[in-house]
Amino acid sequence: RKEVEQDPGPFNVPEGATVAFNCTYSNSASQSFFWYRQDCRKEPKLLMSVYSSGNEDGRFTAQLNRASQYISLLIRDSKLSDSATYLCVVIGAMDSNYQLIWGAGTKLIIKP
Amino acid sequence: DGGITQSPKYLFRKEGQNVTLSCEQNLNHDAMYWYRQDPGQGLRLIYYSQIVNDFQKGDIAEGYSVSREKKESFPLTVTSAQKNPTAFYLCASTPMPSPVYEQYFGPGTRLTVT
Repeated sequence: RKEVEQDPGPFNVPEGATVAFNCTYSNSASQSFFWYRQDCRKEPKLLMSVYSSGNEDGRFTAQLNRASQYISLLIRDSKLSDSATYLCVVIGAMDSNYQLIWGAGTKLIIKP
Repeated sequence: DGGITQSPKYLFRKEGQNVTLSCEQNLNHDAMYWYRQDPGQGLRLIYYSQIVNDFQKGDIAEGYSVSREKKESFPLTVTSAQKNPTAFYLCASTPMPSPVYEQYFGPGTRLTVT
């Protein structure tokens, strides 16, 4: 099992729809979780931090489920500009070194 | 404007040559990171540095070397020992030494080795 897994997609979604995807992780001692957005051939940009209590920012909601070891991202009222690849990153510590494990990303295509 | 700069954007080298990728930040961030990204894959950590004159290996450090002589600079050398150096290389930084904060990325360098 990979340390961090994402459904690669692509998710083809009509404009205005709601879409959700998950990111599962294997290290139960992981400390921090983030969602990033990456446009084609560009650098990742932070979308949201993920907390146990959930995190909402406009149309975006992120959740952490420690018991089942996954994080989720929900996008409501999707826009054409939401088309991108969404990456999750899971951060933990092991043997006094940090581990930053990125998922391979989920590609989202919003269609008019 | 504060940010991270990486140069050059595209780099072409012949097999067997060492090449150094530049990463400079003016954010006054403590920690800096180097990743490589291959098509269809997530970012993989090469090296990171939490303070000046100190750095740690990431998951795929073999064939790479780094230095951190100044807080704002973290150059990466891709040596001839790296078996598959062609990739998209991304440099990032975090405000504090711990990576549990948001990472700020540079625009990346696409390295092609033939």
